[in-house]
Amino acid sequence: EPEVTQTPSHQVTQMGQEVILRCVPISNHLYFYWYRQILGQKVEFLVSFYNNEISEKSEIFDDQFSVERPDGSNFTLKIRSTKLEDSAMYFCASIPPATTREQYFGPGTRLTVT
Amino acid sequence: EDQVTQSPEALRLQEGESSSLNCSYTVSGLRGLFWYRQDPGKGPEFLFTLYSAGEEKEKERLKATLTKKESFLHITAPKPEDSATYLCAVQGNFNKFYFGSGTKLNVKP
Repeated sequence: EPEVTQTPSHQVTQMGQEVILRCVPISNHLYFYWYRQILGQKVEFLVSFYNNEISEKSEIFDDQFSVERPDGSNFTLKIRSTKLEDSAMYFCASIPPATTREQYFGPGTRLTVT
Repeated sequence: EDQVTQSPEALRLQEGESSSLNCSYTVSGLRGLFWYRQDPGKGPEFLFTLYSAGEEKEKERLKATLTKKESFLHITAPKPEDSATYLCAVQGNFNKFYFGSGTKLNVKP
């Protein structure tokens, strides 16, 4: 069964550094999402992406964040200058066409900013 | 502002002891209410979508129901393998989803 994959599984970075989190959504899916989950807290929407552009973004998704779908398969989240409070689990999700809008989530990338 | 509140935060059941989890929501133009299961260290796994008040969905020991203000996830005769955090999410008018904080279910044998 097709799965959403994410790399790396764990990323440790120093404050102020740039990180790129990578996701490969399921191939025929059309809508793509990034979420974050700070340890012990709720899953928070960051951004949705459709037809090669941002569809919606949350207040969290400020200028330090960007997303790209560079080659039709990968979907990336870039954090330009990481802060301690960016430490969280980041999940990618995708939705297949013409469905009940169920999201398929990847296993997540744990980002630790020191 | 769209909002989702889940209760209880944690629930401990004996195997076979049925119960219900609650999700109350406020949203502009509900396009769907979703239930997910999340195991520790993993991404949420889709369970159900509900669209309108009165709708019900079932899967094995789980049954989800929806009213205009809340949804319930009923667990009948749970087993230890049902232990997980159950998340509720809503989609309003836009292409974004709001999650609740979840109910952490622990089923003891």
